[in-house]
Formats: sequence, C-alpha cells, structure tokens
Amino acid sequence: EADIYQTPRYLVIGTGKKITLECSQTMGHDKMYWYQQDPGMELHLIHYSYGVNSTEKGDLSSESTVSRIRTEHFPLTLESARPSHTSQYLCASSEGPFGEKLFFGSGTQLSVL
Amino acid sequence: DQQVKQNSPSLSVQEGRISILNCDYTNSMFDYFLWYKKYPAEGPTFLISISSIKDKNEDGRFTVFLNKSAKHLSLHIVPSQPGDSAVYFCAASAIFLSGNTGKLIFGQGTTLQVKP
Repeated sequence: EADIYQTPRYLVIGTGKKITLECSQTMGHDKMYWYQQDPGMELHLIHYSYGVNSTEKGDLSSESTVSRIRTEHFPLTLESARPSHTSQYLCASSEGPFGEKLFFGSGTQLSVL
Repeated sequence: DQQVKQNSPSLSVQEGRISILNCDYTNSMFDYFLWYKKYPAEGPTFLISISSIKDKNEDGRFTVFLNKSAKHLSLHIVPSQPGDSAVYFCAASAIFLSGNTGKLIFGQGTTLQVKP
C-alpha cells in the first residue's frame, strides 16, 4: 500500500495569510498531483508534476503554486489566502508508465475566515 | 462540460443486498476507469478498475461493468455491508493517448448508505 502524507489535516486561518500545505510520499513515485474538492462535487486537478523540477497547472485554475525540488516532496503554497480558497486539498501520487492508479493522502481541510 | 457524471447523489440499501452505483462519461477517448471510495475528511482510496478492452472486472464483493457503446459503467457491491457506507467516485483516464499525463477526471460522487 502506498504511503503518502499530508500536513496539516485541518487548517483555519485568516484572510491574507500565506500558507503551505505539505505533501510527501515514500514510494519514489515520479508523478504527483494536487486535487481540490468541495462537498458534493467532483475532484478537480489543480497541479501536477512528472518529476523533479517539473510542474504543470491542472484543469481548474488555481491561485496556488507548487514546487518539486525533491521526488518525495510536493508542497502547495497560497501567498494570500481568501475565503474562496476554503476547500479540501488532496495530494496524490501514481506509479506505472501511465500513472493511471492514484494513491491519495488524507487531505487538508482548509478554512479561510 | 462535465465529462464524467454520477447522476445519483445518494443511494440507500439494506445490509446484505446489492448496491449498484452508476457512472456515465462523454469522452470516447477514455480507456481506463476506476472507482474510489472516500470517507469524510479522508482521502479517496482505490477500489477497483477496468480497462476498455474488458467489460467486467471482479474483486471480491466488488464488480465493475463497462458498456462502451453506452459510455456507461457501474459498480456492484454484493453483499453490501454497513462499512461500505461512504462516497464513491467514478474516474476516467485516456491512458493510451500519446503524451498522456495520467490525469484522472472524476465524477461528483454518490453517497452510499448501507443500513443494518
């Protein structure tokens, strides 16, 4: 089973704060992803990476940014949080040549007041 | 335009009976389909998958059926157990396209409640 970790699990912050959501995996997977999900809605891809120094924006526009300096680490940063950023953020990694099966972390539930 | 749709937001079944969750897709290039299970405040966990060269895949109590002509797939859980109560997401990918990114497109999810 895959090991992928996200911290914090829950975060409540005020508007305008800078935050970083951490994501780490121990499987050596090259492909990593960030999804955003609201209750009753589908998961939307906001960022992905094929390996070190590779990052791409996903299908849903997001004001967040990501970096991939190490294979195992894929943090997401919001420079200035707003209430519209309130959501669940899910990090995932995948194995295999096509990266078709994703392993997800437990998620970070972000609330911006 | 939503490419993967789960039109039933919720489903309630009795313990021991069959649960059938449905999913429709619009993109004919999709060739790999997955089902994920999600508990509140947790990340989704992989359940079962099927490629477009098959029409059925079975794993224990879980069976996924694919009807390519109808662009429809379904997940059957038999027998249903209270621990199966969760949100189930259908996802699709076009893995054999050149330059495939491995990205999954998800449906909105169906909340399954299995009553004891």
